[in-house]
Amino acid sequence: GIQVEQSPPDLILQEGANSTLRCNFSDSVNNLQWFHQNPWGQLINLFYIPSGTKQNGRLSATTVATERYSLLYISSSQTTDSGVYFCAVDNAGNMLTFGGGTRLMVKP
Amino acid sequence: KAGVTQTPRYLIKTRGQQVTLSCSPISGHRSVSWYQQTPGQGLQFLFEYFSETQRNKGNFPGRFSGRQFSNSRSEMNVSTLELGDSALYLCASSSLPMNTEAFFGQGTRLTVV
Repeated sequence: GIQVEQSPPDLILQEGANSTLRCNFSDSVNNLQWFHQNPWGQLINLFYIPSGTKQNGRLSATTVATERYSLLYISSSQTTDSGVYFCAVDNAGNMLTFGGGTRLMVKP
Repeated sequence: KAGVTQTPRYLIKTRGQQVTLSCSPISGHRSVSWYQQTPGQGLQFLFEYFSETQRNKGNFPGRFSGRQFSNSRSEMNVSTLELGDSALYLCASSSLPMNTEAFFGQGTRLTVV
């Protein structure tokens, strides 16, 4: 099956700093999503981005499907950005394969 | 529009028992998929249903089963519970059979003692 790798696994930032999270995948995909998992476990949708670039406030994402990677940018980070960020891909029909996640801690 | 609803939110069961978890998708969504999250294995796909048909199944033993009803609500069942089944179980709904965004519920946290 498809493999998904996220880097870095852990990231500590000072409030106000910028960061880039990376997601590499091993095969062509029909769906790529970025999620933020809140402390209660729910996966919050950030981006649905099988290709191209999208922006939502301080967050933006880019997927280069031909090179099989996606990037999530967080600018001017805030303590509320802390948590685990997951990339997930699908090429078989609503069967997401998740990366291992990036655990982000933003310090005040 | 209501989101994906999972019940119950928390559950404690004893080894050997069975458990049933429920998931109500977003209104109009016909695809429901289930995932297990554990500290050791991360997030893993269990199975997916579209219009009451199981289309895909992950690499889990036969103790894990599911079904989908005509109103798109889905249930998953785990029989003969083992300690290793303790996990967060997440359900997602999608509007189309593929190439579409998945939305997740809040999850059911199962503890097997």
